[in-house]
This record gives sequence, structure tokens and C-alpha cells, in this order.
Amino acid sequence: KAGVTQTPRYLIKTRGQQVTLSCSPISGHRSVSWYQQTPGQGLQFLFEYFSETQRNKGNFPGRFSGRQFSNSRSEMNVSTLELGDSALYLCASSLDGGRDYGYTFGSGTRLTVV
Amino acid sequence: GNSVTQMEGPVTLSEEAFLTINCTYTATGYPSLFWYVQYPGEGLQLLLKATKADDKGSNKGFEATYRKETTSFHLEKGSVQVSDSAVYFCALRPSSYKLIFGSGTRLLVRP
Repeated sequence: KAGVTQTPRYLIKTRGQQVTLSCSPISGHRSVSWYQQTPGQGLQFLFEYFSETQRNKGNFPGRFSGRQFSNSRSEMNVSTLELGDSALYLCASSLDGGRDYGYTFGSGTRLTVV
Repeated sequence: GNSVTQMEGPVTLSEEAFLTINCTYTATGYPSLFWYVQYPGEGLQLLLKATKADDKGSNKGFEATYRKETTSFHLEKGSVQVSDSAVYFCALRPSSYKLIFGSGTRLLVRP
């Protein structure tokens, strides 16, 4: 059974640009969440989608957005990149919204903003 | 609000030593609790979980018991191996659809 697939693995962008990250969940999982991991702030929740609807959103500026498609694949977009957006972005999928089975994470996309 | 507090690392142990990583939480309602492990350059792997008070999660020799009276979910292993060297995260899943993580504890096991 394929795991959670995130593409690309690494990205280097310039300040002010925008970026789109992709996530394919485990087959059958309809819940997809995104997290940002940095050395200073640790792991922080960005947003969660279920059946193309955003159910929960973390405390991030509006430059961070996401969406989910009918096949449950998800993308997140960061516009007007700042140096502080450099981080590992992790996608996670879940069968039940995480309550009983938790979340399965992908290997992440390492974003570097220069 | 909801939060997770983990012991500061790094924790350095010799192979076959006993491991305890403390985790306490603050939450409203009845959260689910998890331990995740992260190896260098990788994402998070679910190590074990517990969904209600007194549940014991276990996997690969690791154990943790959901203690509602002490709001704790301490991770233990009787005999660590060099391959257990990684960063361990305690997390809670409150009634909302997200995970709240502790700051992580780095474990280094020496041969």
C-alpha cells in the first residue's frame, strides 16, 4: 500500500515568489492535513481538508492557502515568500480525521527561501 | 487551551538501557494521544497511540499509558538499541481535526 507522497522533496525559491506543494494521500484516506516544521517553532498545524472542504485552519497568515481535489489529493500554496517561510512542510492523511488511527505523514517538502 | 509538554533533550543512553521520555498534556474533553518518531531527513512515523484513559499503546518494544489523572503519556522502552536514535514527539488530537505536538526529544543511543 503506497504511503503519503509529497512532491517535490526540495525547493529553493526567492523571497517574494510563490510556491505550490503537492500531496497524494493514502488510497481511501479523505482527510489531509498540512504542518510546518521549523527549528524555532517546532511542528505547527496549517490546515485540514476533508472531501474538498477545509475543516480546520491554524494560525498562519493568509499567504498560506490550500485546497483538496475530488481524488483527495491536496496542494498548499504560499504566496509572497518570506525568509521565515523556510521550513519542512509535512502532509498527513487520515482515515478518520485522526481520532482513532492517527495520521500518516509523508516525507515532507524542504522549502528554502533565499 | 490544548498543549503538550515534553522533557528537554537530548537524552543520551547506552545500548540496552531503560528509556523514559516524559510527556504531559493540557486538554479539554477527551483527546487521543500519540507518539511519533522522526529519523534524520524523514517525515514522522506513528509509533503508538491511545484513544481513551488507561489505554496502553505499544509497538516495537515501546509503551505508553494514557493517564488522565496525571494528564501524562510517558514513553518507555525496556532496552534501547542504537537504531532507536531519533527525535520523538508526543502529540494530542483534541476534538478538532488537528494534532498538537510537543517540542520533541532527541534520543541518542551509544553502542
